[in-house]
Amino acid sequence: KAGVTQTPRYLIKTRGQQVTLSCSPISGHRSVSWYQQTPGQGLQFLFEYFSETQRNKGNFPGRFSGRQFSNSRSEMNVSTLELGDSALYLCASSLGAGEDNSPLHFGNGTRLTVT
Amino acid sequence: QKEVEQNSGPLSVPEGAIASLNCTYSDRGSQSFFWYRQYSGKSPELIMSIYSNGDKEDGRFTAQLNKASQYVSLLIRDSQPSDSATYLCAVEGTSYGKLTFGQGTILTVHP
Repeated sequence: KAGVTQTPRYLIKTRGQQVTLSCSPISGHRSVSWYQQTPGQGLQFLFEYFSETQRNKGNFPGRFSGRQFSNSRSEMNVSTLELGDSALYLCASSLGAGEDNSPLHFGNGTRLTVT
Repeated sequence: QKEVEQNSGPLSVPEGAIASLNCTYSDRGSQSFFWYRQYSGKSPELIMSIYSNGDKEDGRFTAQLNKASQYVSLLIRDSQPSDSATYLCAVEGTSYGKLTFGQGTILTVHP
């Protein structure tokens, strides 16, 4: 079974631009979560989607948004990029609602650099 | 107080020794507990999950959970140089898909 796939692997953007990251979950997984990892803050939760609905959201500004499609694939968008948005963005998938004891499995991440 | 705290590192152990990693959490409603391993430049990889009090063993790894003490640990027996990585403790409360991570403990196993 293929793992969580994230594209692209690397991105370099300029301040003020926007960026869209993509995530394809493990087949059969309906929940997709996004995390930001930086050396200073560690891993922080951005949001979680299930059946195209955002169920949970972390403490990030509105510049960070996401969506999920009917095939469970998800995208994350960051608008008006700031230098501090430089980070590794990780997508994780799990079986989702009603499935107890379903751990998250992470993709390889997208390394975003904002200059 | 941080929501999830791990023992400060880095931790260095000789090959063949037992490595002990500890984690405490503040939310008593937490339901699920995970240990992830992250090699430098890579994404976190799930190595253990535990949901009820007690011990859970998987090969050289043993996770221990004590909800009353809000404490979870990971023991790595017969440590190998390939175990050298950052170990992340993660806790899930009642929000699906939302894990709260500790800052991680860097483990180095030297030959």
